[in-house]
Amino acid sequence: NAGVMQNPRHLVRRRGQEARLRCSPMKGHSHVYWYRQLPEEGLKFMVYLQKENIIDESGMPKERFSAEFPKEGPSILRIQQVVRGDSAAYFCASLARTRGKGTDTQYFGPGTRLTVL
Amino acid sequence: EDKVVQSPLSLVVHEGDTVTLNCSYEVTNFRSLLWYKQEKKAPTFLFMLTSSGIEKKSGRLSSILDKKELSSILNITATQTGDSAIYLCAVLLTGTASKLTFGTGTRLQVTL
Repeated sequence: NAGVMQNPRHLVRRRGQEARLRCSPMKGHSHVYWYRQLPEEGLKFMVYLQKENIIDESGMPKERFSAEFPKEGPSILRIQQVVRGDSAAYFCASLARTRGKGTDTQYFGPGTRLTVL
Repeated sequence: EDKVVQSPLSLVVHEGDTVTLNCSYEVTNFRSLLWYKQEKKAPTFLFMLTSSGIEKKSGRLSSILDKKELSSILNITATQTGDSAIYLCAVLLTGTASKLTFGTGTRLQVTL
């Protein structure tokens, strides 16, 4: 899991500003998942992307949140006009497929802790 | 709605004790169950369990899945202070693009 990189590790924003969170998956991985962890809660799925495609965004709030995973460069989770309730840890996970078993193991990055003042 | 429940929510033990953490699930289309350890940073992968009754071991940690009871346990023997962490259980469903549904975790504290 050390191979999944996220930056920044900590981000402070004032209400109404934009937050951009970056995730670089493990080398060779083209599947990225974003999860949000609110204080004292478990991780909640937000969005699943493959290169240049959003595959499942069923966990994303309908407004202000967007995600992309361009052909070149990291995946970006963007939160516009942040509010205090957006304060959380945002984790990115990279998918590694276990050969021959048809099962998937996700490896997590260190997370970005967003604080909205 | 798919649900993953972990118990206990928190636990304090002395170094050297053995602990058992529980995870139960109510989901449709179960595929696998995963255990992660979360300290102050990234959740670290521990085990993936797909077949019932087959124990997986890694050092002092072991885990087993019971598909009949829709549950799994994670055992830690001879606990050390470095085992202090939040232990997360997650379920992977078929046909869901491999997204994980997590429980809220068990917070384990190991004291001297």
